[in-house]
Amino acid sequence: GNSVTQMEGPVTLSEEAFLTINCTYTATGYPSLFWYVQYPGEGLQLLLKATKADDKGSNKGFEATYRKETTSFHLEKGSVQVSDSAVYFCALRMNSGGYQKVTFGTGTKLQVIP
Amino acid sequence: DAGVIQSPRHEVTEMGQEVTLRCKPISGHNSLFWYRQTMMRGLELLIYFNNNVPIDDSGMPEDRFSAKMPNASFSTLKIQPSEPRDSAVYFCASSDLTPLPVRSYEQYFGPGTRLTVT
Repeated sequence: GNSVTQMEGPVTLSEEAFLTINCTYTATGYPSLFWYVQYPGEGLQLLLKATKADDKGSNKGFEATYRKETTSFHLEKGSVQVSDSAVYFCALRMNSGGYQKVTFGTGTKLQVIP
Repeated sequence: DAGVIQSPRHEVTEMGQEVTLRCKPISGHNSLFWYRQTMMRGLELLIYFNNNVPIDDSGMPEDRFSAKMPNASFSTLKIQPSEPRDSAVYFCASSDLTPLPVRSYEQYFGPGTRLTVT
């Protein structure tokens, strides 16, 4: 079946540090890939997405590139801020049995300290 | 739009009691999802509706859990009887899965209901 593997957290960084959160996937076919972010006490919200190989999703300074050859979709940001502290979920979407099924990773908690 | 609305935001109940969680999806969305989030198991999909019809309920833990979607603007998740291990945050999400024209299929999450069963 389809699956998403994320690096375990928590990840603790100082403000303005470079961020990478690794995500790899297993899927039969060509999924769409997503990063969602969950701020404390809130639901998940879409951060960025990529729908085909070599696409780059970007939003709020975050980027991720769909790498089909390495089945990866790593999240990066050049300079993190305290306000980026949250849990980040990698996800894939595939057509399954005629409907779109989304599979989430376990989430990676990011803590940014001043 | 107000986004996905869930109620209550917090629920504390005693073991054995019935619990009903409510969700109002975004108007016009044709799909609704119930998730459960715990520290141990992360985010789990419990059940998924499309056009008010349950499509995949393989994530529902056991017969104590049931979900309904009587119309396009309302869904409930019921636990009867509740147990301490049901304590979690329950999220409802909605999406527009109309295949054509191409949609983003983004899921919009509600703020969640934090359930504590003592």
